[in-house]
Parts: sequence; structure tokens; C-alpha cells
Amino acid sequence: DAGITQSPRHKVTETGTPVTLRCHQTENHRYMYWYRQDPGHGLRLIHYSYGVKDTDKGEVSDGYSVSRSKTEDFLLTLESATSSQTSVYFCAISESILRDGYTFGSGTRLTVV
Amino acid sequence: SQQGEEDPQALSIQEGENATMNCSYKTSINNLQWYRQNSGRGLVHLILIRSNEREKHSGRLRVTLDTSKKSSSLLITASRAADTASYFCATDFTGGGGADGLTFGKGTHLIIQP
Repeated sequence: DAGITQSPRHKVTETGTPVTLRCHQTENHRYMYWYRQDPGHGLRLIHYSYGVKDTDKGEVSDGYSVSRSKTEDFLLTLESATSSQTSVYFCAISESILRDGYTFGSGTRLTVV
Repeated sequence: SQQGEEDPQALSIQEGENATMNCSYKTSINNLQWYRQNSGRGLVHLILIRSNEREKHSGRLRVTLDTSKKSSSLLITASRAADTASYFCATDFTGGGGADGLTFGKGTHLIIQP
């Protein structure tokens, strides 16, 4: 989507390696979110940010960490990738959840072998 | 889990017909939103309805909200092949503060047959 990009789009990595996914926005929105999408589970929140250096855990945060040193970038790190983290990861941004919906990125398909 | 649940899980209709999908949730909400996801793509926001609203329209979309039954419905009128996608409801729960993320259901997969 215009205004939000995720990188990489696809990645294959080995079990036990660290992996960092990047979400970059040009909308200057305050709120940023990382979700994972798996068959049978829908979208589940991993971590979210409500400002620079302000982050918190979501529903499925174990094994993940995040950082937000600039408004425009929100990084998701898998500290030691496991096969259960094979998933499609989506970043979303929001200016005000009370007024507007989220804008989603196109996703990163991560395979851990 | 506070997750919303869509019903049906899958729906196949003929082009031109109306499609209705439902969402139920468990706790009080601030608002409820519907999203569309085309295969291999990110989700696209369709419509937001606040807890004090009962019905909302946007083009061929009509959304209703019944907070007493904790349910919502999405109606797509005069369906087109391009409407083939998965549709998700998402809720912002009261007390969630808005910043801590929407909770999504598992989606309804809609197929429009030409």
C-alpha cells in the first residue's frame, strides 16, 4: 500500500538464526503494529507501538522483540527463529484508531526451515 | 479470547447476488471494522462502525451493528467477480484504549461465481 512498505517480501531462514523484518511508513502515523497470519488463526497481534521508543506486547509476543527508534520505522526481530514462526507477517499503521482503520503493508512471507 | 468470529467461514454465490456475512464478538466494543483481503495481499479497510451507530453504508456495502447481541453483519450488494476475497471483522474493545490493537476474526472467504 502507498505509504507503508515491508521488507523483505519473502525470506527463507534456518532454525536458530535471528531475523529482522522492517516496516517503513511515510504517513507520520503514531501507531504501528505487527501481526502474523496463519491458517485457522486469522491475524494475531505480536507487538505494537504508540510512539518512538514506546512499544508493548500483543497476544503472541513470545520469541519476538521490536524496536522503534524513528517514527517511520518499526522493526520486528525473531531472536532465534523456529519452525512455528513460519508465517505471513503484516505491519499496520494507524493515525487514530477511534476515527480510522488501519493501513496494512503487503506482508512478509517468512519460512523457517 | 476476545476474538470476533465470522460466519460463514466460506460463501460461494453467483455474480449479481447479494452476499451477507456475520461477525460475533464477546465483550463491549468502541468500534467494529470490516476489512477485505485479496489472495496474497494485505488487508484493506472497508468500513468502521462505532458502538453508538446501528447502520452504515459505503457504496455497495452495508454494515449493521447490534451491540445487544454483540454481532455485526456486512452486506455486499450486486456482487462482482472482483469481490472475491476474504473478509474480516475487527473489534476495538472498550478499555483497550485504542492503541493496543484491533482483534481480528478468522475471516469469511467469499467466492463470486461468474
